[in-house]
Amino acid sequence: GQQVMQIPQYQHVQEGEDFTTYCNSSTTLSNIQWYKQRPGGHPVFLIQLVKSGEVKKQKRLTFQFGEAKKNSSLHITATQTTDVGTYFCAENDYKLSFGAGTTVTVRA
Amino acid sequence: DTAVSQTPKYLVTQMGNDKSIKCEQNLGHDTMYWYKQDSKKFLKIMFSYNNKELIINETVPNRFSPKSPDKAHLNLHINSLELGDSAVYFCASSQGGQGNTIYFGEGSWLTVV
Repeated sequence: GQQVMQIPQYQHVQEGEDFTTYCNSSTTLSNIQWYKQRPGGHPVFLIQLVKSGEVKKQKRLTFQFGEAKKNSSLHITATQTTDVGTYFCAENDYKLSFGAGTTVTVRA
Repeated sequence: DTAVSQTPKYLVTQMGNDKSIKCEQNLGHDTMYWYKQDSKKFLKIMFSYNNKELIINETVPNRFSPKSPDKAHLNLHINSLELGDSAVYFCASSQGGQGNTIYFGEGSWLTVV
């Protein structure tokens, strides 16, 4: 599995605002998975993207896989305090090769 | 019912000691993993077993020895603990490998003093 780079490392968001976190690779990815880890918790699977240009939505979360399958993004609208945590992207190529994660804090 | 359970959840031990962390999954999965998360939250795979066979062994000191008595269990034994071993260790499982969802246990917080 390829190491993926995530930016930003930290995201401080005002409650109600939108933000986007990015996941980039220098090589083509077979798939990209997103996981969320709440403070003190364990990573929990959110979604998998496989196809070029794929877009999937989960309520206020929108996930996108780039056309070249070298990048992905997670966009959260109307951020809530429940969105606090670290979001990881990873290619699952028989093992998860995680990015460093984006840690999200929310100002009420 | 907890899908992937690991014990103990917290472990504080002295340098030089030997300790084990146990993991069990009741999901019927054939693949299990150990991941290490350091203080900067970086998650790195250590080992992976498929049907009791070791298939992934990343660059991990040989003080770390995984054991899989059956496909529902994957234990991690650590010899001669060092300060740098302090981390959160996550057990995980999946059905098959590439592209499948990986389910994590709640983690074992190891502190070496």
